[in-house]
Amino acid sequence: ELKVEQNPLFLSMQEGKNYTIYCNYSTTSDRLYWYRQDPGKSLESLFVLLSNGAVKQEGRLMASLDTKARLSTLHITAAVHDLSATYFCAVVPSSNTGKLIFGQGTTLQVKP
Amino acid sequence: ETGVTQTPRHLVMGMTNKKSLKCEQHLGHNAMYWYKQSAKKPLELMFVYNFKEQTENNSVPSRFSPECPNSSHLFLHLHTLQPEDSALYLCASSQDPGRLNTEAFFGQGTRLTVV
Repeated sequence: ELKVEQNPLFLSMQEGKNYTIYCNYSTTSDRLYWYRQDPGKSLESLFVLLSNGAVKQEGRLMASLDTKARLSTLHITAAVHDLSATYFCAVVPSSNTGKLIFGQGTTLQVKP
Repeated sequence: ETGVTQTPRHLVMGMTNKKSLKCEQHLGHNAMYWYKQSAKKPLELMFVYNFKEQTENNSVPSRFSPECPNSSHLFLHLHTLQPEDSALYLCASSQDPGRLNTEAFFGQGTRLTVV
């Protein structure tokens, strides 16, 4: 059974600082997603990573994928308060294209 | 707005009630999904429909009954639920699960409370 684990689960950081959220998964996958969820809101798609070594950047967020290590990272550069949210990674197992398996989520709190 | 609309947004029901959650997508997608989001747990995939056919039932109790009359609409019929079924129920849709770059778009969710 595919397991997706994120760490840390909670992150409190100061504005202007950098940090990385990690997402490990337990079986082969050909795609990985990062989503953002604000309190009481739906999930918003941030990145789709499709191949080993893929790197995508949007504003202060950069995501990367290492399929050999079964690891994805979401790097936050010079955090701002607006980035406070819960971030989820999700993986589609290679054996089942219809199943999106989520990590537990990382709640990010950026303090002024 | 993601193009996926869920109703109602909030629902309180007794354990003997029957209710239904509705999801509608305006994106022309072929696949639709139900997820359950409980406090302090990962999102749990419940059901997947692809071209109106159920392709995944993730060992969901029979008190949850999905229905997909067409590719744009998905229902979740609820019957004799338990308090531990209280959660946020999220609907999602995607163009084609088989395509490598497909993305899932989520609705706002229905916050269900079973009393």
